[in-house]
Amino acid sequence: ETGVTQTPRHLVMGMTNKKSLKCEQHLGHNAMYWYKQSAKKPLELMFVYSLEERVENNSVPSRFSPECPNSSHLFLHLHTLQPEDSALYLCASSPGQGPYYEQYFGPGTRLTVT
Amino acid sequence: AQKVTQAQTEISVVEKEDVTLDCVYETRDTTYYLFWYKQPPSGELVFLIRRNSFDEQNEISGRYSWNFQKSTSSFNFTITASQVVDSAVYFCALSEHAGKSTFGDGTTLTVKP
Repeated sequence: ETGVTQTPRHLVMGMTNKKSLKCEQHLGHNAMYWYKQSAKKPLELMFVYSLEERVENNSVPSRFSPECPNSSHLFLHLHTLQPEDSALYLCASSPGQGPYYEQYFGPGTRLTVT
Repeated sequence: AQKVTQAQTEISVVEKEDVTLDCVYETRDTTYYLFWYKQPPSGELVFLIRRNSFDEQNEISGRYSWNFQKSTSSFNFTITASQVVDSAVYFCALSEHAGKSTFGDGTTLTVKP
């Protein structure tokens, strides 16, 4: 089983829908991350959680709401999205939260907002 | 502010050719870490290597090698005898003391048979 799993792999939603993305890591890591990857932009860090506490929120619109119930699970709740939010959303984890640690990524959720 | 530049947007080579992917970074920290990740078509980024700012030794792992030069703020990645399976997007990343990672825009490598 891969270390970091994400569900669903593909999601199409209307602008008025509410949906959630799920990430689970099986590596015993203490930090988890959400990234947005658009076609014409580099990887954008959205949120960082360390030991289930949010340690970073990079000016992400409130229509994205993260939740980290435990160190193995991370959710991204979506509501009232815009078409420009269509992107690949990547989850990652690392052994700790700090500059030294490499990150392990999931396969991503391809989100299309119609 | 930290910045990572991967000037090569796309590179196309024929199998067995050597290819070098460039990475130039900017930072004011004296302690930092540099990374390379590979993103195959399946989507997940795969960690390849980490280098800290105090270790300028080049590293070789099979067909992969990395050249870290602080004097030019570069951390280049060379694939020797490229193979079709090397086709992917490669990202260079920088992490400073505060822990935030900055990724470059990525270089799309296509290796043709």
